[in-house]
Amino acid sequence: GNSVTQMEGPVTLSEEAFLTINCTYTATGYPSLFWYVQYPGEGLQLLLKATKADDKGSNKGFEATYRKETTSFHLEKGSVQVSDSAVYFCALSDSNYKLTFGKGTLLTVNP
Amino acid sequence: DAGVTQSPTHLIKTRGQQVTLRCSPKSGHDTVSWYQQALGQGPQFIFQYYEEEERQRGNFPDRFSGHQFPNYSSELNVNALLLGDSALYLCASSTFRTGSNEKLFFGSGTQLSVL
Repeated sequence: GNSVTQMEGPVTLSEEAFLTINCTYTATGYPSLFWYVQYPGEGLQLLLKATKADDKGSNKGFEATYRKETTSFHLEKGSVQVSDSAVYFCALSDSNYKLTFGKGTLLTVNP
Repeated sequence: DAGVTQSPTHLIKTRGQQVTLRCSPKSGHDTVSWYQQALGQGPQFIFQYYEEEERQRGNFPDRFSGHQFPNYSSELNVNALLLGDSALYLCASSTFRTGSNEKLFFGSGTQLSVL
């Protein structure tokens, strides 16, 4: 079956530091890949997505590239802000609306 | 435009009881999916409703059942509650015809505690 493995947290960074959260997946076929973000007390929000190999998703300074050869979709940001503190989830989908999520990575950014 | 709304926000039940959670989808959406998020885990797909029928189901026992109403709102019912059912239950809505997960909107969830 499908599965997503992402970097264990928590991750604590200083403001303006570089962020990488690793994500690898197992799936049959050609899934779509996503990063979702969950701020305290809020629902999940789609951060970015990629639907085919070598696609790069980007949003709000975050980027991730769909690497089929390494089955990876690592999240990166060049300079994090305090407001980026949240839980980040990597996810995949091989059918409509049925998402398989990783366990999440808590990011804390200190001023 | 209200997004996905869920009620109640918090709920406390005891083992063996039954619970009903409610979800109103975002305006214009006709499909509702339910997810269970245990503490420290990612959300797990329970099932999806479209046209008042269950269309897909994840690996959850029959104690978990649902319903979708003609106005597209949905209920999640859990019978014979177990301690392990304690979790955040998330509802997500979308438009079936778009066929794209990027159009999935999540509610803030119902936190269920089973004592």
